[in-house]
Amino acid sequence: QQQVKQSPQSLIVQKGGISIINCAYENTAFDYFPWYQQFPGKGPALLIAIRPDVSEKKEGRFTISFNKSAKQFSLHIMDSQPGDSATYFCAASLYSGAGSYQLTFGKGTKLSVIP
Amino acid sequence: NAGVMQNPRHLVRRRGQEARLRCSPMKGHSHVYWYRQLPEEGLKFMVYLQKENIIDESGMPKERFSAEFPKEGPSILRIQQVVRGDSAAYFCASSPKGQNNQPQHFGDGTRLSIL
Repeated sequence: QQQVKQSPQSLIVQKGGISIINCAYENTAFDYFPWYQQFPGKGPALLIAIRPDVSEKKEGRFTISFNKSAKQFSLHIMDSQPGDSATYFCAASLYSGAGSYQLTFGKGTKLSVIP
Repeated sequence: NAGVMQNPRHLVRRRGQEARLRCSPMKGHSHVYWYRQLPEEGLKFMVYLQKENIIDESGMPKERFSAEFPKEGPSILRIQQVVRGDSAAYFCASSPKGQNNQPQHFGDGTRLSIL
């Protein structure tokens, strides 16, 4: 019930193309959905986040689309660049009932942008 | 560097030894989270601490693992009598408040290898 399912596991996109990563969740108590970008040997870095009362949020080339009824959200990277090659994690947060807001992460998508 | 600092970056231990992982949160942050990442997996929540208090340890194994965040100094994740299955990357994150709209900022992790 607290799982976040992420797809695809890996993605290869041509430079200038659109990268799309999808996530789905079951628990409707989740109320904050961040995306993280992780380069090899580094920690996850917050990219963009959305709340379920908003259907879309855009920051530069990165857009989150959120479908509350379908319990799905996705990350779109426009004009993908080789520098975007990294592993992307979706996450969802809910109050644990034990005093904290826990992040539940998807398993990640390894994005490779080829020239 | 005003980011979350973790050390050591790499730690090698033999089975049965103790591992101590340290985390200094971002300046002004008093909330610390520890996560574990297995290869090809997302991050799994372990424990949430505020200064001198463990708020939520629901994700931490009941035996051999402990965490602290003293009034002075870094947060420590301690693993006693390590086993091969403890090999993973351990990430610390911090936030200014323990609320849902506060993003968690991650360090670059400690890669723990058990021989």
